[in-house]
Amino acid sequence: DAGVIQSPRHEVTEMGQEVTLRCKPISGHNSLFWYRQTMMRGLELLIYFNNNVPIDDSGMPEDRFSAKMPNASFSTLKIQPSEPRDSAVYFCASGPPTYTIYFGEGSWLTVV
Amino acid sequence: GENVEQHPSTLSVQEGDSAVIKCTYSDSASNYFPWYKQELGKGPQLIIDIRSNVGEKKDQRIAVTLNKTAKHFSLHITETQPEDSAVYFCAAITPRNSGNTPLVFGKGTRLSVIA
Repeated sequence: DAGVIQSPRHEVTEMGQEVTLRCKPISGHNSLFWYRQTMMRGLELLIYFNNNVPIDDSGMPEDRFSAKMPNASFSTLKIQPSEPRDSAVYFCASGPPTYTIYFGEGSWLTVV
Repeated sequence: GENVEQHPSTLSVQEGDSAVIKCTYSDSASNYFPWYKQELGKGPQLIIDIRSNVGEKKDQRIAVTLNKTAKHFSLHITETQPEDSAVYFCAAITPRNSGNTPLVFGKGTRLSVIA
């Protein structure tokens, strides 16, 4: 299996621009999670889906952040407009109907 | 909700020595405790996990112990090697009837193995 696939791996964008991060979970996994990692705050859960349905988005920092999962094999995390404090590594993870989750390699976002 | 505390935040050991990382959790209903290793520039990778019906689990040089009464679990790495240098995260999960719930992570331990 190819694992969780994220794109882009690296993105540098200007403040105010829209950023879209993409994730393809492992086939057969029914849960998908978006995490953000920074030095100050560690790994923070932003939102997670079960069977394509958003279950808890309380970790989404502001209305500028939105996430969708239109089908079992694709999810997006969008930031509009982006700000310098959004600079972080964004991880997507997926899991089967047990507790184990598997992370992608992350999308490294820099907003200047 | 669940809260996971992890110590130490940094740890340096000589190659060949053992390393121990400790975590505590708050919710006695938590029943699954994975450990992840994150190398520079990569995503966290699951290295070992333990469920609440087991007290200890071992996989080659790594082992995890769980004390449900005290609500703490530990990662033990023996005969450390330079490639063990990474950030290690513990996590816990509390089951819900609604299905999978997110892992709650500790803040991480940066392990440095000195050759």
